[in-house]
Amino acid sequence: ETGVTQSPTHLIKTRGQQVTLRCSSQSGHNTVSWYQQALGQGPQFIFQYYREEENGRGNFPPRFSGLQFPNYSSELNVNALELDDSALYLCASSLAGVFGNTIYFGEGSWLTVV
Amino acid sequence: QQQVKQSPQSLIVQKGGISIINCAYENTAFDYFPWYQQFPGKGPALLIAIRPDVSEKKEGRFTISFNKSAKQFSLHIMDSQPGDSATYFCAAVTQGGSEKLVFGKGTKLTVNP
Repeated sequence: ETGVTQSPTHLIKTRGQQVTLRCSSQSGHNTVSWYQQALGQGPQFIFQYYREEENGRGNFPPRFSGLQFPNYSSELNVNALELDDSALYLCASSLAGVFGNTIYFGEGSWLTVV
Repeated sequence: QQQVKQSPQSLIVQKGGISIINCAYENTAFDYFPWYQQFPGKGPALLIAIRPDVSEKKEGRFTISFNKSAKQFSLHIMDSQPGDSATYFCAAVTQGGSEKLVFGKGTKLTVNP
């Protein structure tokens, strides 16, 4: 077990709706990243939060946003859902500044947009 | 632009055989190269990782070989078992900064009994 928990595990939304996905990081980890994994593809970096501030963003539009809370838990919000947003959303936690740092993934949240 | 190229896309090996997955990268700023194993319906799990100042790292049946000059690295799975059947992803990251993992597209490994 990685100590990274995500919720919900599965959900179905309608195009145009909004969704919030949640992540609880491994104890002691101050960095959380979110990845999108489309079926049959490798995970793609969405963004990262370090000490509640966004610390890097991948090639995703602004309707993908996030939050990190003081207890290092995190949320991923996606507005105006599109069919192509259907994917596995992965949360990863790590401890910044430690070389060879291990990045741990949660089990993911499966989002289906219909 | 795909920064990490992985091959083959799929691989079938007999039980007891050697599975070899190859990756190549472009960005010389990468300084940490992990491999992840993913079973269907699960998140990626760290398998083994290497730094570019090391040419080989072995953990049990899993070995990473690293060629810095060629910007290539590979995963060898010795004595492959049916339980190793999964999708394997190589990745690369620049430590410090946003520490964004850049993944290959994955290799689906099937080990036949």
